[in-house]
Amino acid sequence: GENVGLHLPTLSVQEGDNSIINCAYSNSASDYFIWYKQESGKGPQFIIDIRSNMDKRQGQRVTVLLNKTVKHLSLQIAATQPGDSAVYFCAETYTDKLIFGTGTRLQVFP
Amino acid sequence: KAGVTQTPRYLIKTRGQQVTLSCSPISGHRSVSWYQQTPGQGLQFLFEYFSETQRNKGNFPGRFSGRQFSNSRSEMNVSTLELGDSALYLCASRELEDEQFFGPGTRLTVL
Repeated sequence: GENVGLHLPTLSVQEGDNSIINCAYSNSASDYFIWYKQESGKGPQFIIDIRSNMDKRQGQRVTVLLNKTVKHLSLQIAATQPGDSAVYFCAETYTDKLIFGTGTRLQVFP
Repeated sequence: KAGVTQTPRYLIKTRGQQVTLSCSPISGHRSVSWYQQTPGQGLQFLFEYFSETQRNKGNFPGRFSGRQFSNSRSEMNVSTLELGDSALYLCASRELEDEQFFGPGTRLTVL
């Protein structure tokens, strides 16, 4: 797949456990943040977003937390499933451009 | 609605050649952005087009160019290919200010 060879940090979790993926962003002036999931052979897929005037947003099985003080984002996945295995990217919008983090590979084992 | 489509999916070129990649956005989306994804640099923004005009540009050399047609379809061109241009090129479309939807990408290999 497209991410083969990428030396990404890897998070291994057991099916059914909760996953937390962390991301440090670059620019304190960024006002919009997104988490993407990229499966092998596919382009990034939108998971959840959050604006800088919020510190938490929940979706279906996913929660994003934003800590502007330390420029940190996290993605929490509840009851992780095998289908959640993928590379996860955070992205920030800065000067109207989408800037991606390096990504984290999530591996779910039975 | 059909998703973002990119053609071709795979391409092999040699150094010094030029290449044109194509992207068809989701129907109704007027913004198309291009990204380069490599193992070393990750996902990097190339440029964004909206209503046939380049709206934003990343930090890539002038060998990388793009355009958008009146039907919102977009092409990107890379001239004088270098080995380091080998990458997955992703296209994303959106209606301005909304989330971006990505295509599957074109895998370019430069030999």
